[in-house]
Amino acid sequence: EDQVTQSPEALRLQEGESSSLNCSYTVSGLRGLFWYRQDPGKGPEFLFTLYSAGEEKEKERLKATLTKKESFLHITAPKPEDSATYLCAVHASGTYKYIFGTGTRLKVLA
Amino acid sequence: DTEVTQTPKHLVMGMTNKKSLKCEQHMGHRAMYWYKQKAKKPPELMFVYSYEKLSINESVPSRFSPECPNSSLLNLHLHALQPEDSALYLCASSQETLYEQYFGPGTRLTVT
Repeated sequence: EDQVTQSPEALRLQEGESSSLNCSYTVSGLRGLFWYRQDPGKGPEFLFTLYSAGEEKEKERLKATLTKKESFLHITAPKPEDSATYLCAVHASGTYKYIFGTGTRLKVLA
Repeated sequence: DTEVTQTPKHLVMGMTNKKSLKCEQHMGHRAMYWYKQKAKKPPELMFVYSYEKLSINESVPSRFSPECPNSSLLNLHLHALQPEDSALYLCASSQETLYEQYFGPGTRLTVT
């Protein structure tokens, strides 16, 4: 069964304290892995798409990487405004499924 | 313009009411989606329209009825909802089906 798991469920960081969020997936074939950021009461905001193992994408303090089994979202020197829930989603080959993970709630303290 | 708009922002309805949620995008995207999201849960896919045709219906109860009048508009018609249907309803669009999606701000629905 196709599955997407994110860890940790919640993360508290001090401002400037770098860390990584994990998205593990088990799918029959990967068409794409997507990262989103969601602020409370708002719709998710698209961040990155990764298609193949070894691929990396960067945007400001965020860097997403992909292996054959998982993806990491690295946050370098985070700021309080980076506080949000980070969601990953997977599009599996041969399906019309877009599977979201349960998300990581990130809180960055000033 | 990378904006998806949704109206209304908030909706309170009784279980016997009929209401509609509206979504609009002007990015030329060919796929549009409805999601339901409960607090502290990920979005749950409800419907996918691809090139204005319903391509995915994730076994959603018939009290939710989607409509795609044209390539820019998506409606969700609501009838005889239950209190457990209270949630944030999100609309999204993408260039092609199941590519990266752009979400609207959502409609906060409360069923009393």
